[in-house]
Amino acid sequence: DAGVIQSPRHEVTEMGQEVTLRCKPISGHDYLFWYRQTMMRGLELLIYFNNNVPIDDSGMPEDRFSAKMPNASFSTLKIQPSEPRDSAVYFCASSLDLAGGTDTQYFGPGTRLTVL
Amino acid sequence: ILNVEQSPQSLHVQEGDSTNFTCSFPSSNFYALHWYRWETAKSPEALFVMTLNGDEKKKGRISATLNTKEGYSYLYIKGSQPEDSATYLCALSGSARQLTFGSGTQLTVLP
Repeated sequence: DAGVIQSPRHEVTEMGQEVTLRCKPISGHDYLFWYRQTMMRGLELLIYFNNNVPIDDSGMPEDRFSAKMPNASFSTLKIQPSEPRDSAVYFCASSLDLAGGTDTQYFGPGTRLTVL
Repeated sequence: ILNVEQSPQSLHVQEGDSTNFTCSFPSSNFYALHWYRWETAKSPEALFVMTLNGDEKKKGRISATLNTKEGYSYLYIKGSQPEDSATYLCALSGSARQLTFGSGTQLTVLP
């Protein structure tokens, strides 16, 4: 398996532009997570899905952020309009649904977003 | 809400030294404790998952223990090598599946 795939790996955009980040989870995984890594806040969960359904989006910073998972093999995280403070590395992760909460999350390579 | 604290924040050791760092949690109300290894410019990589008090896991020179009664987990690295340099993250998973991460311990192994 190729692991979790994210695209693009790097994105540089100007303030006000729409940004779409993409993720392909590991085939067969039931859960998909979107994280953001910043120097100030470390690794923080934005939203996660179970069987394509959003379960908890309480970590989404504000209405400018939205995420979708139209099918089991694809998810997007959209920022519209983007702002300089959105600059960060965005990670996608996926996991199986194992009993007892022991499922390991497998992380993608991340998308480094820079908003000028 | 799950709270996770890691110490020290950063650590420098000489090649060949053994080292350990701590993940502490005030409450044992979680399903599993995870350790991840995160190299610069790469993505976090899972090391261990532990659930029971007294659990011990080992992978090569790296091992981990879990003490839920006293609220801590230790990660040990025996004979540190420069390639062990990374940030080591501890995370707790609850019933809702999301991971709550600590801020990590940044390890630098000097040749």
